[in-house]
Amino acid sequence: DIQMTQSPSSLSASVGDRVTIACRASQSITSNLNWYQQKPGKAPKLLIYAASSLQSGVPSRFSGSGSGTYFTLTISSLQPEDSATYYCQQSYNSPQTFGQGTKVEIK
Amino acid sequence: QVQLQESGPGLVKPSETLSLTCTVSGDSMRSYYWNWIRQPPGKGLEWIGDIYYSGSTHYNPSLKSRVTVLVDTSKNQFSLKLSSVTAADTAVYYCARGSIHFDYWGQGTLVTVSS
Repeated sequence: DIQMTQSPSSLSASVGDRVTIACRASQSITSNLNWYQQKPGKAPKLLIYAASSLQSGVPSRFSGSGSGTYFTLTISSLQPEDSATYYCQQSYNSPQTFGQGTKVEIK
Repeated sequence: QVQLQESGPGLVKPSETLSLTCTVSGDSMRSYYWNWIRQPPGKGLEWIGDIYYSGSTHYNPSLKSRVTVLVDTSKNQFSLKLSSVTAADTAVYYCARGSIHFDYWGQGTLVTVSS
């Protein structure tokens, strides 16, 4: 299985800050990388697919980049409603696997 | 708007079979893959398996010997059976649509394995 490792595991930032979450794959997954946001008690929500494509309805402050083994999710200006856990997921091969999650808190 | 809804028992005894159904509304099941994903309390996400509307399946090798996913397009439903459960199978179980990314999810249902 392809292992997905996110960093940091958690972070605390202020409203308006630029926040970046990293995701590293154990082998090349080209651009087959997706990002999800999960709030407590809710299902994950797709934010970014194919490494950098913004899902319909997702605010433009979210962006994704990377290819191969290293990817990032950036929130350009952190908002209070962005407090959540973020997961990366590879869809390069089966079984599809997720990172362990990054918890984002608002200071 | 596509909606998915999980249903099934919230409590299953050890060694028994966990059975869940996902009902899809708002769109046809045709031409999509349909997935089961689980999340143990306080932990991360694990993909269990998927089924195409035609019935072809893929399973996570870590669970393959215990998992069966079926689809009934006439009812707009697909189902999960996980046999020989243990406490380690306690989790929120989600159904979701998609093959290379999961764009619609159910709200999830907590299944506890306990005697």
